[in-house]
Amino acid sequence: ELKVEQNPLFLSMQEGKNYTIYCNYSTTSDRLYWYRQDPGKSLESLFVLLSNGAVKQEGRLMASLDTKARLSTLHITAAVHDLSATYFCAVGRNNNDMRFGAGTRLTVKP
Amino acid sequence: GAVVSQHPSRVICKSGTSVKIECRSLDFQATTMFWYRQFPKKSLMLMATSNEGSKATYEQGVEKDKFLINHASLTLSTLTVTSAHPEDSSFYICSARDLQITGELFFGEGSRLTVL
Repeated sequence: ELKVEQNPLFLSMQEGKNYTIYCNYSTTSDRLYWYRQDPGKSLESLFVLLSNGAVKQEGRLMASLDTKARLSTLHITAAVHDLSATYFCAVGRNNNDMRFGAGTRLTVKP
Repeated sequence: GAVVSQHPSRVICKSGTSVKIECRSLDFQATTMFWYRQFPKKSLMLMATSNEGSKATYEQGVEKDKFLINHASLTLSTLTVTSAHPEDSSFYICSARDLQITGELFFGEGSRLTVL
């Protein structure tokens, strides 16, 4: 059974600081997703990573994928308050759906 | 990107009534849609996979008779919560895959169900 572990679950950062969220998964998959969720809202797609070594960047967020280690990271650079949200990683399954990590609740403080 | 629309976004109902939630792919066709449930401050839990023209595939522990899923067309899947009880109160989210775009699922806005 595919298991997805995300850490940390809670993250409080000062503005301007850097941090990394980790996503480990238990079985082979070639699709790794990162989503953002604001309170009371649905999911916003951030990144889709489809191959080993894939790296994608958008603004202050950068995601990478190591399929051999079954690890993806979401790196936050020079955090700003607007990045406060819950971030989920999700790993694709063969039947095209996905399993979600528990989520990382990020709070960026001034 | 592709758009998936859910309706209603919020619904409040009395115990014992049934509630239908619609999930539509607005600008693409989706042979498969997925229904998730999310409790407050928790992650998304897959409930079932909705297949156009055939029966849905339910995850272990999800009651088929409680959560009826119909996928009658390539752009519409419905989730009906039958004989709703307060413990069914939750945030329900659907997703669909655009076959033209490799690997990506698009999510609806979510439907918040409150059963009194």
